[in-house]
Amino acid sequence: EVQLVESGGGLVQPGRSLRLSCTASGFTFGDYAMSWLRQAPGKGLEWVGFIRSKPYGETTEYAASVKGRFTFSRDDSKSVAYLQMNSLTTEDTAVYYCARGRIYFDYWGQGTLVTVSS
Amino acid sequence: EIVMTQSPATLSVSPGERATLSCRASQSVSSSLAWYQLKPGQAPRLLIYGASTRATGIPARFSGSGSGTEFTLTISSLQSEDFAVYYCHHYNNWPLTFGGGTKVEIQ
Repeated sequence: EVQLVESGGGLVQPGRSLRLSCTASGFTFGDYAMSWLRQAPGKGLEWVGFIRSKPYGETTEYAASVKGRFTFSRDDSKSVAYLQMNSLTTEDTAVYYCARGRIYFDYWGQGTLVTVSS
Repeated sequence: EIVMTQSPATLSVSPGERATLSCRASQSVSSSLAWYQLKPGQAPRLLIYGASTRATGIPARFSGSGSGTEFTLTISSLQSEDFAVYYCHHYNNWPLTFGGGTKVEIQ
């Protein structure tokens, strides 16, 4: 059974950093691109970006709203994807989801809440 | 950036009835469109990709149609577990963008 579990969310002050993890199981993690999406309170879904698999150079794509502040990485030996978030603002408050895939997403985690507040 | 517009924002339907959800793109996305179901506290669920292909394990009562700029998700006979929020998104180019969602509620 495919499972994705996000962790690392919490309360953080504006301007600070946070790193989220997405631990995968039930499939060959290294074969897939992994994406991150988010949903701010009371809002719809927003695509954050993705990281390709190693055969595709682990290249990345970011939404304009996070480019230069957020960084994706992955450790295929541990089946974990990471989202490093720097220079956080209140606009980044959201539930963050990781999902399998690059263009559409066939498996998602349940999300982890990131609250940016002073 | 392609803007995705979903309508209606809320759809009140009785169990057993048919629900029709619409998704419009501001420019053509060909058939590069997916639908998802979201319930509070649960992982989002892929329903449809390629505008009309059901994802693995999705019941036949869910169907998708359309191409270009106009798309429809139809739930032929609503079950209690189908009351949720539904989102469309295009993957024709970057950035991927989502519609604002349609909440399907019990009438």
